[in-house]
Amino acid sequence: QKEVEQDPGPLSVPEGAIVSLNCTYSNSAFQYFMWYRQYSRKGPELLMYTYSSGNKEDGRFTAQVDKSSKYISLFIRDSQPSDSATYLCAMSASRGADGLTFGKGTHLIIQP
Amino acid sequence: DAGVTQSPTHLIKTRGQQVTLRCSPKSGHDTVSWYQQALGQGPQFIFQYYEEEERQRGNFPDRFSGHQFPNYSSELNVNALLLGDSALYLCASSLAPKIGNTIYFGEGSWLTVV
Repeated sequence: QKEVEQDPGPLSVPEGAIVSLNCTYSNSAFQYFMWYRQYSRKGPELLMYTYSSGNKEDGRFTAQVDKSSKYISLFIRDSQPSDSATYLCAMSASRGADGLTFGKGTHLIIQP
Repeated sequence: DAGVTQSPTHLIKTRGQQVTLRCSPKSGHDTVSWYQQALGQGPQFIFQYYEEEERQRGNFPDRFSGHQFPNYSSELNVNALLLGDSALYLCASSLAPKIGNTIYFGEGSWLTVV
């Protein structure tokens, strides 16, 4: 079993839909959780980060962490074609001091 | 404000050769990490450099080595290249290996081994 599991997709939804992206993990030491967006042939761009359990909202993006279930989510409201990209979850025991452990990435397609 | 810059952007090497990739961190950042991203996979942590020393290492063989210079820039060296080393190599920078610091990635160096 990999430390971080993420459905690779592709996930295709119509423009304006609410998108739900998820990761599960097995290492209970993880405390810092991040979502990165990666466009084709580009470097990952940090979207959201959360410490421990709870929710965090930034514009159309909401990140949720449930440490008891070892499950994290990213919600995108009012999805746009420009949101089409690969979304990577990442986590670490102490962000900044540890290397990040990434999921495989979910390829998201927003249909106009 | 320049972000993380990497060079070269693309290169092709032959099996058995050696390669050096370079990274300049974001202005003000002093910590550099390297990741390998194979096609269709998430990035995998190779190692992290801080104060010119390797602070942490992922599950990569000794063929992968690195260096950090006094100006915080960094190099990744890979010896005895294998076909399986073909990947996007990403450099990430942050301000000191402390809790809560944001990690920024460069655009990467695409390495093809033939």
